[in-house]
Amino acid sequence: KQEVTQIPAALSVPEGENLVLNCSFTDSAIYNLQWFRQDPGKGLTSLLLIQSSQREQTSGRLNASLDKSSGRSTLYIAASQPGDSATYLCAVSFANTGNQFYFGTGTSLTVIP
Amino acid sequence: ETGVTQSPTHLIKTRGQQVTLRCSSQSGHNTVSWYQQALGQGPQFIFQYYREEENGRGNFPPRFSGLQFPNYSSELNVNALELDDSALYLCASSLGPKRGSTDTQYFGPGTRLTVL
Repeated sequence: KQEVTQIPAALSVPEGENLVLNCSFTDSAIYNLQWFRQDPGKGLTSLLLIQSSQREQTSGRLNASLDKSSGRSTLYIAASQPGDSATYLCAVSFANTGNQFYFGTGTSLTVIP
Repeated sequence: ETGVTQSPTHLIKTRGQQVTLRCSSQSGHNTVSWYQQALGQGPQFIFQYYREEENGRGNFPPRFSGLQFPNYSSELNVNALELDDSALYLCASSLGPKRGSTDTQYFGPGTRLTVL
């Protein structure tokens, strides 16, 4: 059974700190992995998409890495800001069910000014 | 803004009723996926439509059904509503399975359904 797990469930950091969010998945045969941001009561905003053939993707202060062999992805946020406060969701598309995403339960991030 | 819109924003229904939720895809996207997100959980895949045909279904009962129209807008219908159906319903549009691993999903703002 494919599962996606995110730790920690919640994280609180002071402004300016660098931080890492973790995502693990049970099957290394993935199609792609996408990180999303969700503000309270809102939809999902796509942050980064990593294809199965890639090791990392970068966008501004965000860097996502992928290690298929260990079933892990990390989202690195540099120089955190209060506006980064949100829930971050990891979604994995597996090779044998390529048309659907499996989501983790998310990490709730609070950046304290 | 992703260009994906959903209506209505909020909806309150009672047990046993039927509901229809609507989604308008981003321009040029021929694929739409629907997800259910319960409070404090990650979204769960309901089904996907590609060029008006169902293209995969998650672990949801048949009372959850959908349609995709020629303009690629979509509807999610839920019959015989239950209390546990209370959730945020999200639709996501994409360029489709032929894009392979580069296919990014773009989500709408969601419809908050409350079943009393």
